[in-house]
Amino acid sequence: EAGVVQSPRYKIIEKKQPVAFWCNPISGHNTLYWYRQNLGQGPELLIRYENEEAVDDSQLPKDRFSAERLKGVDSTLKIQPAELGDSAVYLCASSWRNTIYFGEGSWLTVV
Amino acid sequence: KNQVEQSPQSLIILEGKNCTLQCNYTVSPFSNLRWYKQDTGRGPVSLTIMTFSENTKSNGRYTATLDADTKQSSLHITASQLSDSASYICVVGTSYDKVIFGPGTSLSVIP
Repeated sequence: EAGVVQSPRYKIIEKKQPVAFWCNPISGHNTLYWYRQNLGQGPELLIRYENEEAVDDSQLPKDRFSAERLKGVDSTLKIQPAELGDSAVYLCASSWRNTIYFGEGSWLTVV
Repeated sequence: KNQVEQSPQSLIILEGKNCTLQCNYTVSPFSNLRWYKQDTGRGPVSLTIMTFSENTKSNGRYTATLDADTKQSSLHITASQLSDSASYICVVGTSYDKVIFGPGTSLSVIP
């Protein structure tokens, strides 16, 4: 069974440019999360979806970040425009019965 | 404020030795506690999950304990291997489907 799939794995962009990350959760998992993880720290929740509804986006910087999960399956996280401080790993995860399954992450470097 | 603290921040041990990682939390209402292993450049992978009524859970050479009264958990690694080098993250879930991540303990196993 495929795990949580994310792309791209690595992205280097100049500041003020846009970037988008894609995530396909494990089949059948209704809950999808986007996390941001800085080096040496634990993941921080950006947004949580239950099917296509964003049920917790309180930590999402809405001035530059947006996310969508239109059909309740795969999801896209966008940053526009990117800032130097956005350099981090963006982890997508889905959950089933209290266990969260993470993707490998999308590593973003903003230069 | 819901918080998860871990100690030590980093640890270096010799291959074959045992070690214990600590997690203290102030999370309410408590639902479950999970330990994740995160290899460098990879997404976190679940090791154990414990609910309020469980005080120990094993997964191979990994044994997690939970004291819900003192709000402490430990992860004990027996006969460490080089492949155990990773970050170990304590995650506490609430009854409202929120999860709070600890900052992680970075473990290095050296030959």
